[in-house]
Amino acid sequence: TQLLEQSPQFLSIQEGENLTVYCNSSSVFSSLQWYRQEPGEGPVLLVTVVTGGEVKKLKRLTFQFGDARKDSSLHITAAQTGDTGLYLCAGEGYSNYQLIWGAGTKLIIKP
Amino acid sequence: NAGVMQNPRHLVRRRGQEARLRCSPMKGHSHVYWYRQLPEEGLKFMVYLQKENIIDESGMPKERFSAEFPKEGPSILRIQQVVRGDSAAYFCASSPILLTPGYGYTFGSGTRLTVV
Repeated sequence: TQLLEQSPQFLSIQEGENLTVYCNSSSVFSSLQWYRQEPGEGPVLLVTVVTGGEVKKLKRLTFQFGDARKDSSLHITAAQTGDTGLYLCAGEGYSNYQLIWGAGTKLIIKP
Repeated sequence: NAGVMQNPRHLVRRRGQEARLRCSPMKGHSHVYWYRQLPEEGLKFMVYLQKENIIDESGMPKERFSAEFPKEGPSILRIQQVVRGDSAAYFCASSPILLTPGYGYTFGSGTRLTVV
């Protein structure tokens, strides 16, 4: 069974601080996707990483895929209140439509 | 059609009633995927459908749950004789072709089912 564990489960920090959230597994994934979900809405795709060691930047967000394609991280620089939300990682495993999801990191950025 | 449309947004059912959740895919998309999200958990795959075809229903409970995607009209996820444990957010996503590696989903806003 493929599983994805996200940490921390909950993070509350002040605006302007940096943070990193993690997505770990003992399984290899052909790609990892990061989503952000607001209350009452569906997840919105932020990025997909495909190649081991790949780093992608989206403004203040930096995503990294582990060399062995088993883990990923999301780093946010100078967090803003608009970054508040639930961050979910999802891995493509045995089939590319049955994504395996982490339980999410609930991020709160305080003004 | 700007995106994946789901309705209703909120649905309250008494135990034993039926729930029907609708998903209209993005224009031109013929593949639909349903996921369920329990409180404080990630999403769980339920079923993958093409028009008039169920491709993979391995994530859907064998009893009380069914799904269809007719030639015309939205995809329907049907839950018969609902129980409290069915309370969750149900999301669907669509794609024009079978997902290729790295293709990210576009989700609808979901239907939040509450069973009382």
